[in-house]
Amino acid sequence: DQQVKQNSPSLSVQEGRISILNCDYTNSMFDYFLWYKKYPAEGPTFLISISSIKDKNEDGRFTVFLNKSAKHLSLHIVPSQPGDSAVYFCAASYQGGSEKLVFGKGTKLTVNP
Amino acid sequence: KAGVTQTPRYLIKTRGQQVTLSCSPISGHRSVSWYQQTPGQGLQFLFEYFSETQRNKGNFPGRFSGRQFSNSRSEMNVSTLELGDSALYLCASSSPSQETQYFGPGTRLLVL
Repeated sequence: DQQVKQNSPSLSVQEGRISILNCDYTNSMFDYFLWYKKYPAEGPTFLISISSIKDKNEDGRFTVFLNKSAKHLSLHIVPSQPGDSAVYFCAASYQGGSEKLVFGKGTKLTVNP
Repeated sequence: KAGVTQTPRYLIKTRGQQVTLSCSPISGHRSVSWYQQTPGQGLQFLFEYFSETQRNKGNFPGRFSGRQFSNSRSEMNVSTLELGDSALYLCASSSPSQETQYFGPGTRLLVL
């Protein structure tokens, strides 16, 4: 049973446009959500997180939105750059800790020049 | 600060063998978590160690085990290897004050 789902395996956008990556979860106990970016042959790199007490968190070009009632979160990248091309993982945890993360299967983002 | 390091980076074993992977966390981090990444299942949590004690455990068989040393370095062991154990094994560390994990580059294990 997959508790964190990223239903789009891939996404392609033009440089300068917005990239929107989506994530759904089923476990209502999750209270902390993170996005990681992963390049081939490297470990995931932390991008941005959000606590369940918030509905939005921004960090530069990256914004994460959380809709608790829909059990849905999204990552917006504006403007998208070719260097953003990578696999993006959504992850969730509960009890406010990040030691045990439940990951989605990832979305491969390609930003075309 | 040096990042999370993992050794070896690549490993080839045959079925039935056992393997030990090593992880050195970021200096000052006492929590070390291990994950398995496969194309079909994505990133799956194996276990987490804190102060030499296993604090969390995922849904993996007992062939997968780990330990943590007093300097926070961690090892994971897989016994009686199966073809399906071929994967990228990732280690991550965190400190209590940080709300994220920092990942190492991983060890890619191929079981033949």
